[in-house]
Amino acid sequence: DAGVTQSPTHLIKTRGQHVTLRCSPISGHKSVSWYQQVLGQGPQFIFQYYEKEERGRGNFPDRFSARQFPNYSSELNVNALLLGDSALYLCASSLDSLYQETQYFGPGTRLLVL
Amino acid sequence: GQSLEQPSEVTAVEGAIVQINCTYQTSGFYGLSWYQQHDGGAPTFLSYNGLDGLEETGRFSSFLSRSDSYGYLLLQELQMKDSASYFCAVRVTNQAGTALIFGKGTTLSVSS
Repeated sequence: DAGVTQSPTHLIKTRGQHVTLRCSPISGHKSVSWYQQVLGQGPQFIFQYYEKEERGRGNFPDRFSARQFPNYSSELNVNALLLGDSALYLCASSLDSLYQETQYFGPGTRLLVL
Repeated sequence: GQSLEQPSEVTAVEGAIVQINCTYQTSGFYGLSWYQQHDGGAPTFLSYNGLDGLEETGRFSSFLSRSDSYGYLLLQELQMKDSASYFCAVRVTNQAGTALIFGKGTTLSVSS
């Protein structure tokens, strides 16, 4: 079975631009979470979606938004990019939103903001 | 707020046993998880403790004491391939919903 897939793998943007990152969960998984990981730090929680509804939100500005589609894939959008948004963006899927603790991570999208 | 503390670095030799501790201060605690991440790779799930006690999965074991807000990951019979970063993570709930909060990670270096 295919694991979690993310696209694109790498992305270079300039300050002020907008970016959309995409994630496809493992087949049968209904929950998708997004994380930001900067070098040398642990993943920082951004959003969780379950059954197309937002179930959790981390401490990120409103420039960050996400949605989940009927096929459970998800998009993360970041507006008005700042240099500090440069990071690895990870998507993880799981069967449930709360009680299934095994999160399966995708390879991530490396975003560089110049 | 939520915080997790774990050592930044641990070194060991092949065949040894190493313990990585994690202490946390959170509200709405549901459980403690451990993830492994090799350089350039994605985090992979290792273990989860929802209740107090020890969970064993092969060479890896994890322990939780909710009364002490403390847990650890125990790695036995260390191998070179175990060199990686290890993160503890806590599932919490707050007014915004549910979140998985990660520690800053412990870099384990295994030498021969």
